[in-house]
Amino acid sequence: KAGVTQTPRYLIKTRGQQVTLSCSPISGHRSVSWYQQTPGQGLQFLFEYFSETQRNKGNFPGRFSGRQFSNSRSEMNVSTLELGDSALYLCASRIATDTQYFGPGTRLTVL
Amino acid sequence: ELKVEQNPLFLSMQEEKNYTIYCNYSTTSDRLYWYRQDPGKSLESLFVLLSNGAVKQEGRLMASLDTKARLSTLHITAAVHDLSATYFCAALLRDNYGQNFVFGPGTRLSVLP
Repeated sequence: KAGVTQTPRYLIKTRGQQVTLSCSPISGHRSVSWYQQTPGQGLQFLFEYFSETQRNKGNFPGRFSGRQFSNSRSEMNVSTLELGDSALYLCASRIATDTQYFGPGTRLTVL
Repeated sequence: ELKVEQNPLFLSMQEEKNYTIYCNYSTTSDRLYWYRQDPGKSLESLFVLLSNGAVKQEGRLMASLDTKARLSTLHITAAVHDLSATYFCAALLRDNYGQNFVFGPGTRLSVLP
């Protein structure tokens, strides 16, 4: 079974731009969560989607948004990028409360 | 506040030694997860602990869960260099908005020859 895939793997943007990251979960997994990982803040939960509905949201500004499609693929969007948005963005999928399986991540650098 | 703490944050150990990483969480949870992350890589699932008293072992790693104490441990037996990585615990915690995976800060383990 294929794992969680994320595209792109690396991204360089400048301040003020916006970015869209994509995540394809493991087949059959309907829950997709997004995390931001930085050296200073560690792993922080962004949001979770289940069956196209946002089920839970972390403490991030409204510039961070996401959506999920009917095939469970998910996208997250960050608008008006700031230097502090530079991070590894991880996507994870799961079935119910079973373990999460993480994708390889997208490393975003904001210049 | 939903919080997961780990102790220690940094651990440098010699090969063949034993050590334990501790994970405390702030509210009731009966599901605790352990992950490993190598530098520059994503997270790899190690264990899922689903009930009080649960114990799981894989190779030189053994994890346990005490839900009454809100404590999980990851015990390393006879460490080898290949175990060098950052280890995260995560608890499935519930607040007014639903349930959420909350990660600890991670324990960076270095196994020295």
